Amino acid sequence: AQSVTQLDSQVPVFEEAPVELRCNYSSSVSVYLFWYVQYPNQGLQLLLKYLSGSTLVKGINGFEAEFNKSQTSFHLRKPSVHISDTAEYFCAVSLYSGGYQKVTFGTGTKLQVIP
Amino acid sequence: DTAVSQTPKYLVTQMGNDKSIKCEQNLGHDTMYWYKQDSKKFLKIMFSYNNKELIINETVPNRFSPKSPDKAHLNLHINSLELGDSAVYFCASSQDGVGTGELFFGEGSRLTVL
Repeated sequence: AQSVTQLDSQVPVFEEAPVELRCNYSSSVSVYLFWYVQYPNQGLQLLLKYLSGSTLVKGINGFEAEFNKSQTSFHLRKPSVHISDTAEYFCAVSLYSGGYQKVTFGTGTKLQVIP
Repeated sequence: DTAVSQTPKYLVTQMGNDKSIKCEQNLGHDTMYWYKQDSKKFLKIMFSYNNKELIINETVPNRFSPKSPDKAHLNLHINSLELGDSAVYFCASSQDGVGTGELFFGEGSRLTVL
């Protein structure tokens, strides 16, 4: 069974500063990796995904993430945050098992951008 | 044109009542899900249907009954509502089989049980 750990429940950061949101996963087989963003009172939307190939993945709104197989991590980064990036961020892993994809979410990290 | 739409967006009801939430997706996906998000934002999968067949049924009280009349619709009926059922319920869809598990979410239905 796979699991996802987001160690930071809240990350405050000043506007225009860089940010890193950490995600570690455990799985005995290959997985797909995702970051989703949830703005207040909205559903989740895909920020970026790692399926295969280059370990550095670029997403929407200037975010990027790096897949590190040896450290089983998929940390999300942005070089300069904006007020509008204030949201909840979820890391997720997807594993093909029993004929379908099983998706497991982390507990979320609340990014608070301080003006 | 909303890809995954769910109604109603807000539900306020008394303990013991029965309520339903409806979900429709126009993405042509094979698989639909119900997730529950609690007050701490933790997302927990409840059910999943693939082409109208139940494929995931987590440890959810049997007061919760999903129904999928066709692969584009997945409804959730809740009987005898309890205070602990208060949460935001999200519908999602994905293209399984050849898919990756990427999920497309609705905007959520906030259920408040008084």
